[in-house]
Amino acid sequence: GQQLNQSPQSMFIQEGEDVSMNCTSSSIFNTWLWYKQDPGEGPVLLIALYKAGELTSNGRLTAQFGITRKDSFLNISASIPSDVGIYFCAGSYGQNFVFGPGTRLSVLP
Amino acid sequence: DTGVSQDPRHKITKRGQNVTFRCDPISEHNRLYWYRQTLGQGPEFLTYFQNEAQLEKSRLLSDRFSAERPKGSFSTLEIQRTEQGDSAMYLCASSSRVGSPYEQYFGPGTRLTVT
Repeated sequence: GQQLNQSPQSMFIQEGEDVSMNCTSSSIFNTWLWYKQDPGEGPVLLIALYKAGELTSNGRLTAQFGITRKDSFLNISASIPSDVGIYFCAGSYGQNFVFGPGTRLSVLP
Repeated sequence: DTGVSQDPRHKITKRGQNVTFRCDPISEHNRLYWYRQTLGQGPEFLTYFQNEAQLEKSRLLSDRFSAERPKGSFSTLEIQRTEQGDSAMYLCASSSRVGSPYEQYFGPGTRLTVT
């Protein structure tokens, strides 16, 4: 079946630093979504991407839909403590979504 | 807009018991999804409804699992004869046909522990 890989698995950064994480697949997707999940809560939608090459921003977050349609990346600029959490990418070709295993972000003061 | 709600938030049950979870989607969202999430993993798709019709089911949804959405609004997920391997967070999400149908909004989840 379709699988997504996310890297890095976890990262520790200093407050104020920029963060970059990516998501890759062996399959082509026509939609990419990025979510953030806090402990004990459901994922919260951050950014949705619908077109190869698309670059979309949401505040300090920027995400891109890879040209090959097999990857996506998420950047967070000037990280703050509330950015701590697990970031999931999800890819879709149709109504079903496949989620990656997540990147765990820790922000050190 | 009150968001997706799920009830209960936590459920502890003994192996072999039946459990039922409820999901109330965002009002007027016609699409509803159930996912299962285990520790350290991303959500895994279980099933999907458009209005009251169950359009797709994952292989993960064994015959002990059943989901309904009788009036196209709230949905229930029942697990019969629970097993320890059923312990997980069960997430519900909804999306709208209008606008961006692929943008799924998740509820807080129901954490199931089978002892």
